[in-house]
Amino acid sequence: GENVGLHLPTLSVQEGDNSIINCAYSNSASDYFIWYKQESGKGPQFIIDIRSNMDKRQGQRVTVLLNKTVKHLSLQIAATQPGDSAVYFCAGYGSSNTGKLIFGQGTTLQVKP
Amino acid sequence: EPEVTQTPSHQVTQMGQEVILRCVPISNHLYFYWYRQILGQKVEFLVSFYNNEISEKSEIFDDQFSVERPDGSNFTLKIRSTKLEDSAMYFCASKAAPSANTGELFFGEGSRLTVL
Repeated sequence: GENVGLHLPTLSVQEGDNSIINCAYSNSASDYFIWYKQESGKGPQFIIDIRSNMDKRQGQRVTVLLNKTVKHLSLQIAATQPGDSAVYFCAGYGSSNTGKLIFGQGTTLQVKP
Repeated sequence: EPEVTQTPSHQVTQMGQEVILRCVPISNHLYFYWYRQILGQKVEFLVSFYNNEISEKSEIFDDQFSVERPDGSNFTLKIRSTKLEDSAMYFCASKAAPSANTGELFFGEGSRLTVL
């Protein structure tokens, strides 16, 4: 089946440290992945995306790594700030060509001051 | 910055009542979606809509659910007879990408539905 999942439900880091959030997927046909951030009571907010023909993509303070061999992607946040506290979801497009996004379970990132 | 807007932000209803959740997608977008999120859980796909018809729906999207794009701007989700388990946050989303399986999906802030 098509599954996207995360390894840890909660990650607690010290302000200023780097954060790494992991995600695994099962559908080899997925060729486009997105990381979303969701703050309490709000909708998912796009952070960064990556196509399957890439291994790495960098944004402002964020980096996504994709390992297609083991079907794993990660989100790295540099110099984590209190405003980064949120739930982070990885998502991948399903095998049907309808734009259906399949979300992982989410990791809650807690940033300690 | 253009955004997806949803109304109401919160609706409380009695079991068995009909509910309509409304969305205004971003104006030049072509693909429209409804997702739901039960409290503390992941975001789940409900339905996708393209070219004025449903392109895919999940098992959750049974006969009690329907979607409509009555004019050029609104996109609605109707639940005909609500059940307790329909209580969730419902997110509308839209996308402009030339193909369905690429590009950013823009989400609204959600409509929280509470069924009593």
